[in-house]
Amino acid sequence: KAGVTQTPRYLIKTRGQQVTLSCSPISGHRSVSWYQQTPGQGLQFLFEYFSETQRNKGNFPGRFSGRQFSNSRSEMNVSTLELGDSALYLCASSYGSRTDYGYTFGSGTRLTVV
Amino acid sequence: AQTVTQSQPEMSVQEAETVTLSCTYDTSESDYYLFWYKQPPSRQMILVIRQEAYKQQNATENRFSVNFQKAAKSFSLKISDSQLGDAAMYFCAYRSANTGTASKLTFGTGTRLQVTL
Repeated sequence: KAGVTQTPRYLIKTRGQQVTLSCSPISGHRSVSWYQQTPGQGLQFLFEYFSETQRNKGNFPGRFSGRQFSNSRSEMNVSTLELGDSALYLCASSYGSRTDYGYTFGSGTRLTVV
Repeated sequence: AQTVTQSQPEMSVQEAETVTLSCTYDTSESDYYLFWYKQPPSRQMILVIRQEAYKQQNATENRFSVNFQKAAKSFSLKISDSQLGDAAMYFCAYRSANTGTASKLTFGTGTRLQVTL
């Protein structure tokens, strides 16, 4: 079956712009989580959506937001981009809320802010 | 808050040899999950192995096994018969069993594994 699909794979934006990244989870998965990966800060949890509701949120400014649609696809948005937002953004999906369900990751979107 | 520490930024192993990657973590919880993920140049995080904290038996997946020492909060990964395809970044990760925060994975800083001929 198809894996987790993230689009686009690469993105270049200018400081001050906004950006929207997309994540399509594995069919049947209802939970989608987002992570930011940078050389300096490593992998950091952004937020998780389950059945269209944000269930958990990491320690990021309000410029970072997300949403989930009824088909479980998720988008994350970053407004007023800063140079420090340059990172690999990874999405992971899981079947449900039980803690023993595993996560499957996508290949990420590489965002460069210039 | 939980923390995960990987003290080896880089490791090297010869093909067919065995290598052990170290991971320690800090938590006040008694029930949790630990994972090792592999991230090759393709960037996708791939689950290598997982361990439930309530299980004393160490997890094993083919050539990959862990040494889980709950009291010492240590979770090392052993790769046997190393192959060129094992070259990647390896991340240790923690996940709470508390359903309120269980969706969050806390990652270590990673260990880059190089496999040589």
